[in-house]
Amino acid sequence: AQSVSQHNHHVILSEAASLELGCNYSYGGTVNLFWYVQYPGQHLQLLLKYFSGDPLVKGIKGFEAEFIKSKFSFNLRKPSVQWSDTAEYFCAAPGKLIFGQGTTLQVKP
Amino acid sequence: DAMVIQNPRYQVTQFGKPVTLSCSQTLNHNVMYWYQQKSSQAPKLLFHYYDKDFNNEADTPDNFQSRRPNTSFCFLDIRSPGLGDAAMYLCATSRDQVSNEQFFGPGTRLTVL
Repeated sequence: AQSVSQHNHHVILSEAASLELGCNYSYGGTVNLFWYVQYPGQHLQLLLKYFSGDPLVKGIKGFEAEFIKSKFSFNLRKPSVQWSDTAEYFCAAPGKLIFGQGTTLQVKP
Repeated sequence: DAMVIQNPRYQVTQFGKPVTLSCSQTLNHNVMYWYQQKSSQAPKLLFHYYDKDFNNEADTPDNFQSRRPNTSFCFLDIRSPGLGDAAMYLCATSRDQVSNEQFFGPGTRLTVL
């Protein structure tokens, strides 16, 4: 069965710090992965997606993620976070959109 | 703008009193999903419709039902809400199940008294 796991459940950073949120998947075959973000009081929205091709995927708001097949990972990165990045971040696998546990990111101004 | 709309945004009901949540979409997507999201947890899929075909998740309680009268609308019926059903209910759509990029509505927060 498909599963996705996120290592960091709660991350606190200062503005301008670099961000990396971990995501690991455990299924074979064709691997497609998403990162969704949920800002406080707002709906879930897609940050970026990997379907095939270039393993380095760029998304909205300066986020990127790298698919590393040998490590079964799809970590989310941003070189310099802003206070407005405070949100819940979910890694997800398609099929039935299986979500990881989520990571709460709090950015201190 | 094409979008996913959920009504109401906040719903309060009494223990055991049936409640219906509504979702509509202007994206003309084939697939519509209902998720339950409890505080500090990931969304959990309840069921989805591919066109008119209903697909229930194995662990979705019988208390939860859904209707999709046409492409644009989908309803979540909770026949006898319990205190444990208090949650955010999210509706989402996707063009098909292959691409499966889902677009989410703002959610309905259900309170059960």
